[in-house]
Amino acid sequence: DAGITQSPRHKVTETGTPVTLRCHQTENHRYMYWYRQDPGHGLRLIHYSYGVKDTDKGEVSDGYSVSRSKTEDFLLTLESATSSQTSVYFCAIIDLKETQYFGPGTRLLVL
Amino acid sequence: GQNIDQPTEMTATEGAIVQINCTYQTSGFNGLFWYQQHAGEAPTFLSYNVLDGLEEKGRFSSFLSRSKGYSYLLLKELQMKDSASYLCAVRDSNYQLIWGAGTKLIIKP
Repeated sequence: DAGITQSPRHKVTETGTPVTLRCHQTENHRYMYWYRQDPGHGLRLIHYSYGVKDTDKGEVSDGYSVSRSKTEDFLLTLESATSSQTSVYFCAIIDLKETQYFGPGTRLLVL
Repeated sequence: GQNIDQPTEMTATEGAIVQINCTYQTSGFNGLFWYQQHAGEAPTFLSYNVLDGLEEKGRFSSFLSRSKGYSYLLLKELQMKDSASYLCAVRDSNYQLIWGAGTKLIIKP
């Protein structure tokens, strides 16, 4: 258990509404990641952070923004949700052995 | 482009041995990871290989050949709880993980 929680765990929203997902970690890890997982695809990196206020884009960053104002929290925002953003979202950290560990995931349905 | 290939689905019998293959083409190589993911849950770390050869951890072993861009995960004495998806991931030259789509393993009694 890497001390990672995600909230909410499930969310249903409508197209065009803003949505924010939260990832919280308790072990002071420097690196945090947001992935999405869809059937037939591997995990795809959306954004990652390498420190407070330090973030960078991943493979599928369009339509997403992130913020990290505290070490323990990494927020993912969908400014205007679309049906193509229906997915399972996982947050991850990297430990000192450079292994990624995942939070429990958030299932998002955009109607 | 970067690519990780693994079979989509495999079926095996309880008590048997199964080998799940992974081939990769990535920009650089800084290690290969295997994760297990039960349906509806998060991936959990199984193994890490950075040098050629076999790493054994209980009933699970993972093999790497960097020259062939190839790895496999070997599961012995299969149990029903091993029914899950197995994800292969390679850390590239930018130290980002590139993920395969996963292999769904079905265990039959």
